[in-house]
Amino acid sequence: SQQGEEDPQALSIQEGENATMNCSYKTSINNLQWYRQNSGRGLVHLILIRSNEREKHSGRLRVTLDTSKKSSSLLITASRAADTASYFCAPWEGGADGLTFGKGTHLIIQP
Amino acid sequence: NAGVMQNPRHLVRRRGQEARLRCSPMKGHSHVYWYRQLPEEGLKFMVYLQKENIIDESGMPKERFSAEFPKEGPSILRIQQVVRGDSAAYFCASSRTGPNTEAFFGQGTRLTVV
Repeated sequence: SQQGEEDPQALSIQEGENATMNCSYKTSINNLQWYRQNSGRGLVHLILIRSNEREKHSGRLRVTLDTSKKSSSLLITASRAADTASYFCAPWEGGADGLTFGKGTHLIIQP
Repeated sequence: NAGVMQNPRHLVRRRGQEARLRCSPMKGHSHVYWYRQLPEEGLKFMVYLQKENIIDESGMPKERFSAEFPKEGPSILRIQQVVRGDSAAYFCASSRTGPNTEAFFGQGTRLTVV
């Protein structure tokens, strides 16, 4: 199984600004998921995007997927203090592999 | 519908003892995943189980660690003869039909080995 690599490792922005984080992976995937983790807690699922989709929206979240570049991006618009968390991507190849995660992007929203 | 339940939330063990971590998946979910997380690190995949079967254990240490998901009851992650390096947060997740759908995570068990 492969894991995604999130970039940047850390990001600090002002409240109200947009936050963009990226995920790169190595081999073809079936789908890619984004999760959020608040300090010390379990991960919370944000969005799942399938390999035949290019863009997906959920509230203030927008995820894109470029399978030719083997990359995905997560955009959070109009950020809020509550968005402070670590964000992880999980590319899934299919078959019997479990979901794996990288080190994540640690996002800090400054009030 | 209760979420994924892990217990205990905190577990302290002396070196050499056994640690048993429990995970009850969400109702209707037959796929369970275990992860380990060290402070300031990402989640490291350990094992993926589907009712009574181990599907992927590529992340599980070869010795002292085992996992099961019996037909009845919770999934158990068992660590024998714990060492200080086993101290970490252990998270369990479940999904309905496998990694092609979203996974729901528990709040984790924080294991401290003294």
